[in-house]
Amino acid sequence: AQSVAQPEDQVNVAEGNPLTVKCTYSVSGNPYLFWYVQYPNRGLQFLLKYITGDNLVKGSYGFEAEFNKSQTSFHLKKPSALVSDSALYFCAVRDMVKAAGNKLTFGGGTRVLVKP
Amino acid sequence: DAGVIQSPRHEVTEMGQEVTLRCKPISGHDYLFWYRQTMMRGLELLIYFNNNVPIDDSGMPEDRFSAKMPNASFSTLKIQPSEPRDSAVYFCASSLKSGRPYFGPGTRLTVT
Repeated sequence: AQSVAQPEDQVNVAEGNPLTVKCTYSVSGNPYLFWYVQYPNRGLQFLLKYITGDNLVKGSYGFEAEFNKSQTSFHLKKPSALVSDSALYFCAVRDMVKAAGNKLTFGGGTRVLVKP
Repeated sequence: DAGVIQSPRHEVTEMGQEVTLRCKPISGHDYLFWYRQTMMRGLELLIYFNNNVPIDDSGMPEDRFSAKMPNASFSTLKIQPSEPRDSAVYFCASSLKSGRPYFGPGTRLTVT
């Protein structure tokens, strides 16, 4: 079965400082990985995805994520955080093994608070 | 494109009543997902469809929940009878086979 872990419930960072949100995954086959962001009372907005290729993936709003196969991690990063980045961030995985179908499993979410 | 459309955006109902949530996926998408979000359990996949056919309903909590997709442009999630523990935000999402899911704005359900 596929699973995702986001070990931190909340991350606090000062504006202008680098932001990292951690994610580890478990799949049988190759992973298809996603990051989504949710602002208060809103739906989930797509940030970026990894299928194959470069381990460093660039996405929306200046975010990027690094895929590390040996550590089964897909951490989200932003070099300089903004107050407006304060939101709930979700990591998700789809197992590319055919038997897994098209099921996308989400982590528990990490709340990011960027202080001025 | 208008994106994934969900209705109603908010629903308040009394315990025991039937609740129907509606979703219109993005045109051309052949996968549709229903998720539930709660503080305790996070985002849970309830059921997903491929070409209007239910593929995996293992996340549906119990028989009180049912989902249908009568055609490619419409799906419903029904709860009958509703209970206070069903209070949550219900999201619908759609995607192409190899694409990323696009989420709707969600329906916030409150069962009193």
